[in-house]
Amino acid sequence: GQQLNQSPQSMFIQEGEDVSMNCTSSSIFNTWLWYKQDPGEGPVLLIALYKAGELTSNGRLTAQFGITRKDSFLNISASIPSDVGIYFCAGLPSGYALNFGKGTSLLVTP
Amino acid sequence: SQTIHQWPATLVQPVGSPLSLECTVEGTSNPNLYWYRQAAGRGLQLLFYSVGIGQISSEVPQNLSASRPQDRQFILSSKKLLLSDSGFYLCALGAYEQYFGPGTRLTVT
Repeated sequence: GQQLNQSPQSMFIQEGEDVSMNCTSSSIFNTWLWYKQDPGEGPVLLIALYKAGELTSNGRLTAQFGITRKDSFLNISASIPSDVGIYFCAGLPSGYALNFGKGTSLLVTP
Repeated sequence: SQTIHQWPATLVQPVGSPLSLECTVEGTSNPNLYWYRQAAGRGLQLLFYSVGIGQISSEVPQNLSASRPQDRQFILSSKKLLLSDSGFYLCALGAYEQYFGPGTRLTVT
């Protein structure tokens, strides 16, 4: 599968700040997914996007499916300590084989 | 609701030994099932997926194999482990939205 380009690789922010991360691909995807993984656990699905231009929120998280279908963005507003973890984007070109980014490691300092 | 069980949670095996990791799911019928491997806390790599009993698709040629003997059971195996097989193995289910199990941490020594 194709490796997605996810950035930034890591972020160190203060509690209360907003966070933005993105994922790009050279190919078109039909579905974009965002996951959060805590150490030693499996990834947890945060948001799923199915349509170009779609903007979807889940609490303080907002994600967008890029118009070109080659990118996606995740924003976290007013970060809190429990937001710490690794965030992964994943894209589905067709079929069932998800392609994953390498993750963005988020650290939140009080 | 759907639940994914994986065991064992952790495993330490010597090089050359066999491997069997099990994934079972509850709360769903005829799910698509997947095995992923994650190295060094990053980058999930799809190894196998199955759309039904006895149907296995391999994404990466390697030292591993998968089987699906029952609708809600997915097994990852190896006849002889290599050092490079160490990693965090995750079972997942779903179609367009995939949900992950708790994982098995495998260390090959």
